Amino acid sequence: NAGVTQTPKFRILKIGQSMTLQCTQDMNHNYMYWYRQDPGMGLKLIYYSVGAGITDKGEVPNGYNVSRSTTEDFPLRLELAAPSQTSVYFCAIGQGTYEQYFGPGTRLTVT
Amino acid sequence: GENVEQHPSTLSVQEGDSAVIKCTYSDSASNYFPWYKQELGKRPQLIIDIRSNVGEKKDQRIAVTLNKTAKHFSLHITETQPEDSAVYFCAASIPGANDYKLSFGAGTTVTVRA
Repeated sequence: NAGVTQTPKFRILKIGQSMTLQCTQDMNHNYMYWYRQDPGMGLKLIYYSVGAGITDKGEVPNGYNVSRSTTEDFPLRLELAAPSQTSVYFCAIGQGTYEQYFGPGTRLTVT
Repeated sequence: GENVEQHPSTLSVQEGDSAVIKCTYSDSASNYFPWYKQELGKRPQLIIDIRSNVGEKKDQRIAVTLNKTAKHFSLHITETQPEDSAVYFCAASIPGANDYKLSFGAGTTVTVRA
């Protein structure tokens, strides 16, 4: 039982490149969330999903896309990467309460 | 939407002393207030939470208090130890649709001096 896993752990992208950050959970939780963490700024919600087939925008969705075809997976897609997307990205899961549990994170640098 | 402010942004304490971090929230309908601890390079981990029908909650050396009237809540760490050094985030539930979203404070970096 791994909980929440994220891949890759680290990635360096060039401006304009695209990539997908993977988030997988084995706890059968319906609720999944993507956050970005910038120094001194806390955690900002990018996108979230309340179940397979349902996604919605969070506070800072511009430049990102998501899909949720299964309960287990919630990938985050970056199209045309920009330096402003340099950040640490965390995926979190929940089961219909406000308690959220975070994955280990992906550190992304765009140069 | 919900806005959470957290103070101070950095806190340095002597080992054995107490540490207090305060957060305010804007939406009086918020009813769940968690605290997360994030060690360097690690994921945020839930350490304690409180719901709006409770004024105080304790778990060993940590406690959280909630003042609904003033819309603020605080984390108290007693008898601090070096392993308490970390970034601490408060959060408040965002009322409304059944999506269980949280709004986070900007974080407090706590350093415990030996």
